[in-house]
Amino acid sequence: DIQMTQSPSTLSASVGDRVTITCRASQNIGPWLAWYQQKPGKAPNLLIYTASSLESGVPSRFSGSGSGTEFTLTISSLQFDDFATYYCQQYIIYPWAFGQGTKVEIK
Amino acid sequence: QVTLRESGPALVKPTQTLTLTCTFSGFSLSTSGMSVSWIRQPPGRALEWLGVIAWDDAKYYSTSTRLTISKDTSKNQVVLTMTDMDPVDTATYYCERIYGRAPPAWGKGTTVTVSS
Repeated sequence: DIQMTQSPSTLSASVGDRVTITCRASQNIGPWLAWYQQKPGKAPNLLIYTASSLESGVPSRFSGSGSGTEFTLTISSLQFDDFATYYCQQYIIYPWAFGQGTKVEIK
Repeated sequence: QVTLRESGPALVKPTQTLTLTCTFSGFSLSTSGMSVSWIRQPPGRALEWLGVIAWDDAKYYSTSTRLTISKDTSKNQVVLTMTDMDPVDTATYYCERIYGRAPPAWGKGTTVTVSS
């Protein structure tokens, strides 16, 4: 099975910071990776799909890059609304899988 | 507009069978390349992928042997059945549509508690 490893598990940052989260796949998944933001008690909210496509309505401060086995989610200037948990998901090789999550906390 | 909505019991007893329904609109599960998967999230824990059913009725499951996924294309529904429920199966259950390079789409989830 493919393992999806996110780093870091927790990230402390301040408003205005540039934030980068990494997701590594144990096998080549091409561009088939999505990023989600989740707040407590809410369903995951799609940010990025096919590694770098910005979902409609998502602020442009979010961006995704990578292909194959290494991917990054970047928030160019962290806003208060961005403090949440972020997950990556590969959806090409069964069983599809999620990373363990990255919690972005206020510094 | 693609929408998905999960429904089912909020409470089940241990050893019972759980049946959840994902009712969707805005797409057809008979379209080549279309698939619907189930995902769950126990309280305070990460997302866990459970399984998928594709347009051609192909199915793939995670390691769980208690899970069955089926579809009713005419009703635009996908059904998850999980046998022998245990308190560790307490979670919010989501369904997700995947279709090629289109954005994945999720329902809002349904919370299931397993308790006697």
